[in-house]
Amino acid sequence: DTAVSQTPKYLVTQMGNDKSIKCEQNLGHDTMYWYKQDSKKFLKIMFSYNNKELIINETVPNRFSPKSPDKAHLNLHINSLELGDSAVYFCASSQDGGRTFYNEQFFGPGTRLTVL
Amino acid sequence: QKEVEQNSGPLSVPEGAIASLNCTYSDRGSQSFFWYRQYSGKSPELIMFIYSNGDKEDGRFTAQLNKASQYVSLLIRDSQPSDSATYLCAVMVNTGFQKLVFGTGTRLLVSP
Repeated sequence: DTAVSQTPKYLVTQMGNDKSIKCEQNLGHDTMYWYKQDSKKFLKIMFSYNNKELIINETVPNRFSPKSPDKAHLNLHINSLELGDSAVYFCASSQDGGRTFYNEQFFGPGTRLTVL
Repeated sequence: QKEVEQNSGPLSVPEGAIASLNCTYSDRGSQSFFWYRQYSGKSPELIMFIYSNGDKEDGRFTAQLNKASQYVSLLIRDSQPSDSATYLCAVMVNTGFQKLVFGTGTRLLVSP
């Protein structure tokens, strides 16, 4: 069984469109994350939710809006897509929100977003 | 200065050699350090975690931490072609809730 799953795996769209990426984890974890990995492989956190509560909100354009309907799901909606949004977006989950100093994060397979 | 710095490589080593990957970080308060491996087109997976100064060994992998010098390294003994991947160093930074800050990764190539 897949621990952290994301849909879709690939997303190709035009500038200005709105799109969503969905993430689900079946590990029973309390915390979920969205990361963006650019073309140079730099992996940067965008958001984190702990038990449906937003706990990390990095400097991300407000065109990006995460939503966590329950602690097993975290979605990412992106409005008015721009060329610079092209990247691989990874969802991840961990047992807690990093309150202890061991915080193994399990990553989903990623969603490759291409904005034309 | 970037929070976590790594040489992007590629680091090329022959099969059977020791690969040494290095990482420096800027936040002196960081307590936990992680090494993730990422194969091309795949997601990162955790291979080592360390929080105490010194060495931590797990099979062919050894993580080394020196908090005074703010560096962490990963040694891979008896390197195999299957070890060819990008290795991401990640540091736990405390901003209220803790978050992982990643380096840009070092690409390792192990030739047969």
